[in-house]
Amino acid sequence: ETGVTQTPRHLVMGMTNKKSLKCEQHLGHNAMYWYKQSAKKPLELMFVYSLEERVENNSVPSRFSPECPNSSHLFLHLHTLQPEDSALYLCASSGGTGDYNEQFFGPGTRLTVL
Amino acid sequence: GQNIDQPTEMTATEGAIVQINCTYQTSGFNGLFWYQQHAGEAPTFLSYNVLDGLEEKGRFSSFLSRSKGYSYLLLKELQMKDSASYLCAVSDSNYQLIWGAGTKLIIKP
Repeated sequence: ETGVTQTPRHLVMGMTNKKSLKCEQHLGHNAMYWYKQSAKKPLELMFVYSLEERVENNSVPSRFSPECPNSSHLFLHLHTLQPEDSALYLCASSGGTGDYNEQFFGPGTRLTVL
Repeated sequence: GQNIDQPTEMTATEGAIVQINCTYQTSGFNGLFWYQQHAGEAPTFLSYNVLDGLEEKGRFSSFLSRSKGYSYLLLKELQMKDSASYLCAVSDSNYQLIWGAGTKLIIKP
């Protein structure tokens, strides 16, 4: 595997389900990110981890819970979601969180909440 | 507040030149990125500008004017594969990327 991978690529879940999104980076980076991408809207930064420590949480509802067990893996745990949470969830990684920090993105998980 | 503006959609002809503009108002500036995103795919890095001027990379060039809070992406010799969304993002004072909504570029034969 190379770059940033995400699983699953597509997910349909009910409002009472619990599911998890997985991201893995094979680039030796120290920072990882979760973004939400909705149609015709800017990318919304949800969470940032640097060296496995959360450094940013942009007022994301508690029904989204991130986990970063090591610098290569990032999870987003989902529970009791709402239909408006349907979107593309993108994971990204970068060498660090300061200075020049080109981000490398995974292909995303297309989430549909029924 | 922080704001990035870019046109929602543009149309151009194969073989032509197109310029996609981006204006920004952010708390601090640590560089501006352009990314390309094909439908259903991940955004991929195109260019980075931190100093004023033009950066050229093959058919793509990116320009920055910090005093005007303005950048553009110039695509030359357009090909059908250039049909995609182009995302402008500014690194703010905390090195967080503030993203525009993206410009969908449609290339016609």
